[in-house]
Amino acid sequence: QVQLVQSGGEVKKPGASVKVSCKTSGYTFTSYGVSWVRQAPGQGLEWMGWISTYNGNTKYAQKLQGRVTMTTDTSTSTAYMELRSLTSDDTAVYYCGRGVLDYWGQGTLVTVSS
Amino acid sequence: DIQMTQSPSSLSASVGDRVTITCRASQDIRNDLGWYQQKPGKAPKRLIYAASSLQSGVPSRFSGSGSGTEFTLIISSLQPEDFATYYCLHHSTYPWTFGQGTKVEIK
Repeated sequence: QVQLVQSGGEVKKPGASVKVSCKTSGYTFTSYGVSWVRQAPGQGLEWMGWISTYNGNTKYAQKLQGRVTMTTDTSTSTAYMELRSLTSDDTAVYYCGRGVLDYWGQGTLVTVSS
Repeated sequence: DIQMTQSPSSLSASVGDRVTITCRASQDIRNDLGWYQQKPGKAPKRLIYAASSLQSGVPSRFSGSGSGTEFTLIISSLQPEDFATYYCLHHSTYPWTFGQGTKVEIK
């Protein structure tokens, strides 16, 4: 069965970086892109971007351009999302999803606090 | 960027009620739209894809319709497990955008 398993929660200080992993199984990794979505506490869903697992092409939300990098490791069927220069506004649950978000990871809580 | 306007933002309904949620796109998105259900503390779950196709395993009381700029999610007979927040998502062009969400509460 299709599974996306994310790395555990993180606590970071303002200005730091965080890298969240998303290990996939149950399907051919390079047949679907990976999307990333975040949700701040009590708020709605925000699309962050998408990466092609075939050629590494990326599309990022404008507001995150320059701070976010999405990558993949096809040898381990794992996708990564790195976010830099964190502020308290980046405190959120971060989700990965397969392709057009038909399957989702369980979420990773990233807390940014001094 | 394409904006998705979802309404209502919340509603109160009883078990057995018919519930309708609407999303309007600021531009034509063909049928590049999905509907998601999210329960507290859980990842969203896709209910509908391509505007009107039921995701495998999702009860048939859920249905979607629309194309272009107007889309609707209908729950034909609300069940206790359906109390949750619902979101639409367009994936027609980048950036993708979610609707603001509709919280369905017990009356």
